[in-house]
Amino acid sequence: DQQVKQNSPSLSVQEGRISILNCDYTNSMFDYFLWYKKYPAEGPTFLISISSIKDKNEDGRFTVFLNKSAKHLSLHIVPSQPGDSAVYFCAAVGDKLIFGTGTRLQVFP
Amino acid sequence: DGGITQSPKYLFRKEGQNVTLSCEQNLNHDAMYWYRQDPGQGLRLIYYSQIVNDFQKGDIAEGYSVSREKKESFPLTVTSAQKNPTAFYLCASSIQGSDYNEQFFGPGTRLTVL
Repeated sequence: DQQVKQNSPSLSVQEGRISILNCDYTNSMFDYFLWYKKYPAEGPTFLISISSIKDKNEDGRFTVFLNKSAKHLSLHIVPSQPGDSAVYFCAAVGDKLIFGTGTRLQVFP
Repeated sequence: DGGITQSPKYLFRKEGQNVTLSCEQNLNHDAMYWYRQDPGQGLRLIYYSQIVNDFQKGDIAEGYSVSREKKESFPLTVTSAQKNPTAFYLCASSIQGSDYNEQFFGPGTRLTVL
């Protein structure tokens, strides 16, 4: 039973354009969401978070949007850079941290 | 420098042998976690510990054991009972009692069982 889903396993975007990574969840009791970025053979690093009382949180080139009625959140990266190429995990805070399966983003020149 | 260390980065073992992965943190975090990552899958929780001398099973604890004798250390033993031990193992820690459960991850250990 996958409570947090990232339905796109991969995404390819040209440098300078917008990258949009999506995440869906099933449990309306989740009250906090996080995005992590992971390079190969390294541990994930925290990127940005959002509380369920908000619908948007912005940090530089990264913006996370939350649509509670649709149980959907998305991460926007603008403008995308080659160094953004990594796997991105969304995670929901319940009684523990529940991770999605990840989306591999590739930003090409 | 505060952080989480995992060693070694790569580990090879023969089938049927137990192996222990180390995880040390100097962040003064109360909670520590072990995850396993397989290709195309998210991070799956193996064990977690919220306080010294106490730990709980995660979603895939079978074939694994842990100990938490010190706040800084949370070693994971992969036993011969684990049917498919080859994977990338990640250790994490977090401040207990924080409003949200942001976890800080170590660099990971890739275990290959031959």
